[in-house]
Amino acid sequence: AQSVSQHNHHVILSEAASLELGCNYSYGGTVNLFWYVQYPGQHLQLLLKYFSGDPLVKGIKGFEAEFIKSKFSFNLRKPSVQWSDTAEYFCAVNKPPEWGSSNTGKLIFGQGTTLQVKP
Amino acid sequence: GAVVSQHPSWVICKSGTSVKIECRSLDFQATTMFWYRQFPKQSLMLMATSNEGSKATYEQGVEKDKFLINHASLTLSTLTVTSAHPEDSSFYICSARRQYSNQPQHFGDGTRLSIL
Repeated sequence: AQSVSQHNHHVILSEAASLELGCNYSYGGTVNLFWYVQYPGQHLQLLLKYFSGDPLVKGIKGFEAEFIKSKFSFNLRKPSVQWSDTAEYFCAVNKPPEWGSSNTGKLIFGQGTTLQVKP
Repeated sequence: GAVVSQHPSWVICKSGTSVKIECRSLDFQATTMFWYRQFPKQSLMLMATSNEGSKATYEQGVEKDKFLINHASLTLSTLTVTSAHPEDSSFYICSARRQYSNQPQHFGDGTRLSIL
């Protein structure tokens, strides 16, 4: 079965430290990859996505992620975190939806990583 | 940007009552909407895929008679938790994707359901 695994469940960093959150997936064929962030009390927001092309993608708020196909990985990085980055981070994967088929492009989420940044 | 509105944001009700949660795409048409359940400190679990004009597709282990989904228009899907019990208390989140697109899903703010 398809699955997404996030290795870090709870990460605590000081401001200005560098961040890398791991994400691995098990999916055959073409996939779309996403990182979502959920700030306390808010809805899920898209940080960045990879559909095709350059495997290094840049998102909002200084985040970036690298798709390594051979490793089935899509790790999230930020060179210098801020206190405001404290949130829950979710990696998600889907197969591109196909109209008229049973493939609706549903997202499979990882377990989530809680990031706590100390001021 | 695309906005998904979910209502109500918080509901408390007695055991045995039914609760309806609405999910609306405000500025785009969504052929497909998704319903998730999120337990505290856990990830989102997909419950069902809501398809406009047809029956919803439920994930394994999700009771379709318990969680009724209606996707009556391209901008509205509803989830009704029937005869709710305390174990149904959870955070329910919907998402929608623009019609005929490969674009990312947009998420609602979620509904916190508490059954007494």
